[in-house]
Amino acid sequence: GQQLNQSPQSMFIQEGEDVSMNCTSSSIFNTWLWYKQDPGEGPVLLIALYKAGELTSNGRLTAQFGITRKDSFLNISASIPSDVGIYFCAGMPNSGGGADGLTFGKGTHLIIQP
Amino acid sequence: EPEVTQTPSHQVTQMGQEVILRCVPISNHLYFYWYRQILGQKVEFLVSFYNNEISEKSEIFDDQFSVERPDGSNFTLKIRSTKLEDSAMYFCASSEVGGAYGYTFGSGTRLTVV
Repeated sequence: GQQLNQSPQSMFIQEGEDVSMNCTSSSIFNTWLWYKQDPGEGPVLLIALYKAGELTSNGRLTAQFGITRKDSFLNISASIPSDVGIYFCAGMPNSGGGADGLTFGKGTHLIIQP
Repeated sequence: EPEVTQTPSHQVTQMGQEVILRCVPISNHLYFYWYRQILGQKVEFLVSFYNNEISEKSEIFDDQFSVERPDGSNFTLKIRSTKLEDSAMYFCASSEVGGAYGYTFGSGTRLTVV
């Protein structure tokens, strides 16, 4: 099946630093999503990307949908303690309607050191 | 903000027993999904459901799994004869119009098979 390669696996940063993580795929996804998961909770949608080349921001978060539709990155600027968690990229094969399952990456574990 | 509600939050069952995991999707959503996450691993798609039938399923969703929408509000996942390797977090999700728009996850049910 389709797989997403997400990197880095974990990040140890200082509060206030910027963060960058990315996902690549060998196959095309027509929608890219970025989720954050806190311990014991379900994934919470951060940003959804629908068009190749699209750059979208949500507060301190910025994500881009790669031109080839095979990659995406997520940046977090000026990290704060509540940014700690696991960040997942997810791809959806279609951009329109339909009950598509999401393919998830393995996650990036963000740890902020005091 | 509307939520996807899952019950119970934690279920312990003996190997070979049947379990039913319950979900109440967001009320105006039409597409429903189940995912699982084995401890420390990525979220994996199991099945999607629309218009009272399965729309898509993964290779994980074998004959021991079934889904049902018994009434206008609940969406259930049944595991017929649980195995040790079924131990995982199970997440329900729903979306309003299909595709990625409004794709919302519940907080999950932790299933432990002993």
